[in-house]
Formats: sequence, structure tokens, C-alpha cells
Amino acid sequence: NAGVTQTPKFQVLKTGQSMTLQCAQDMNHNSMYWYRQDPGMGLRLIYYSASEGTTDKGEVPNGYNVSRLNKREFSLRLESAAPSQTSVYFCASSEWRGNEQFFGPGTRLTVL
Amino acid sequence: RKEVEQDPGPFNVPEGATVAFNCTYSNSASQSFFWYRQDCRKEPKLLMSVYSSGNEDGRFTAQLNRASQYISLLIRDSKLSDSATYLCVVNMEDNNNDMRFGAGTRLTVKP
Repeated sequence: NAGVTQTPKFQVLKTGQSMTLQCAQDMNHNSMYWYRQDPGMGLRLIYYSASEGTTDKGEVPNGYNVSRLNKREFSLRLESAAPSQTSVYFCASSEWRGNEQFFGPGTRLTVL
Repeated sequence: RKEVEQDPGPFNVPEGATVAFNCTYSNSASQSFFWYRQDCRKEPKLLMSVYSSGNEDGRFTAQLNRASQYISLLIRDSKLSDSATYLCVVNMEDNNNDMRFGAGTRLTVKP
């Protein structure tokens, strides 16, 4: 039982490059989330998914797209990376929205 | 006023000390709260849920004061392994159960 897994762990991009962050959970959770964490700030929600095929914008969605491929997987895509997207990205899941969330190990992204 | 506010610290305490952190929230409709622990360069992990007036788990006690809109986390008999950042999380039940995270309070327990 791996919980929530994320790949990659680290990534360096140049401005304008694109990439996809992958996330999977094996807890049969319905809700999945993508957050970013910046120094001195709380985790901020980028996108949320209540179930396969449904996604909702969070607090900071600009510059990102997501895809809930199936119940297990929820990916985050940066179409044209910007230095302001340098951050640590966490994927999380919970049984339902409002329940305790379980986090993946994070992806440290640097955009030059 | 920020939706969730925490004193960033750092709190530096000796082993065996008792330490308490507060977290204030602005949404009076919030009903459920959580404390997470985050080690350096790791993911947040759930420490405690707080649904009513409080919750106790071993050396850790969380209390909720709805009138003053704050929750607290008390750690008794601090261990070196308690050194971490403690995140306060507030459920915005009136906003689609959106969770709001505090920026965290850093604790260092010294020998």
C-alpha cells in the first residue's frame, strides 16, 4: 500500500517549456488535489477533482491544467512554464472533500 | 485578516518542555479543523483532527475555542523528534468544504 505517489521528485525547466506532474493513489479515494507550497505561505489549492472526469479550479489555477484520468490518477500540466511557477507541488487525496487528506512526497520544480 | 493565521516561530524549547501553538481563523462557519506535521523537505502528515471542543492523543492535545475563533495545539514532554513545522488547516464548510492551510509554526526541540 504505497498511499499517494508522485513523479518526478525534482525537475528543472526553462521558461516556456512544458511538463506534466503525475500523481496516483491506491486508497480508493474519491477526491484528489494539487497544491503548491511557497516559502512563508500556506499550501494553496491549484485544482481539485471530486471524481473521475470532473475537475474544479482552486485558489491559483492560472497557468495550469489537470486531468483526472481514472479514480487513481490525477495529473497536473504546465503548458508554458514561468519562473513564478517555481515551487514545491503536492498531490493529495481524501475519501471525500472535507475529510483528512493524505499527501504525496512532493515535486520540487525550478523554472529558470 | 488572513483566513488562517499562525505564528511562524521558530519556537525553540528544551527536551521535556511543554509548548503550545495557536491558530486563528476568520470563517465563523468552519466546523472542522486539522493539525498536520511537516518535516523539512517532506510532505504534510495528519497529526490530529479537531471536530468538537478538543481532542487528545498521548502527549498532544488540540483545543477549539469557537467564540474566539482559534484552535491550539499543546505538546507535553517534548521530544527531539517533535521538531517540525506544524500546519493548521481549517475546513470552509460554507465554501464547498475548501481547506485553508496556515503557513505553519516551526518548532525546534533542543537537547
